[in-house]
Amino acid sequence: GQQVMQIPQYQHVQEGEDFTTYCNSSTTLSNIQWYKQRPGGHPVFLIQLVKSGEVKKQKRLTFQFGEAKKNSSLHITATQTTDVGTYFCVGGGYQKVTFGTGTKLQVIP
Amino acid sequence: DAGVTQSPTHLIKTRGQQVTLRCSPKSGHDTVSWYQQALGQGPQFIFQYYEEEERQRGNFPDRFSGHQFPNYSSELNVNALLLGDSALYLCASSLDRGLQGYTFGSGTRLTVV
Repeated sequence: GQQVMQIPQYQHVQEGEDFTTYCNSSTTLSNIQWYKQRPGGHPVFLIQLVKSGEVKKQKRLTFQFGEAKKNSSLHITATQTTDVGTYFCVGGGYQKVTFGTGTKLQVIP
Repeated sequence: DAGVTQSPTHLIKTRGQQVTLRCSPKSGHDTVSWYQQALGQGPQFIFQYYEEEERQRGNFPDRFSGHQFPNYSSELNVNALLLGDSALYLCASSLDRGLQGYTFGSGTRLTVV
């Protein structure tokens, strides 16, 4: 079945440093969504990418969908303590929804 | 706030018992999906309901069943509870079967003893 892996599993950064998480699917995705889950909280929708090679920005966050639609990345510029949490990519749409393994981000003040 | 509402928030059950969890979707949403999230793990897809029918299902046994009502609310039923069923159960609602993203509820924390 479809598998979605994320790397790294954990990342500790100094506040102000950049952060990137990578998402790789074993199958081609119709779209990809990104979610953030704060400690003790529930996943919160961030963005959806649909087109091959698509790049979207939300303030300090940049999301990219690979040309082959099998990988994606999330880059955070100049991390802040409010960025702490686990970031999940999700292969969504009409296919079986599959959460990635997640990247847990810790930001050291 | 017309977000996703789940009840109860916490539940303790004994092995072998049955449990029903409830979810009211965000206003205007017609699709409900259920997820199981074990501690420290990512959410695992259980199933999705749309137009009162199960449309997609993850790798969960038949002990897990659900229902969607005409008002789009949904129930998740788990029979013959096992210790390994202890987890956070998340409900997510969406429009158009998730193509525009999911809104998650705060979850039901189920503990099986």
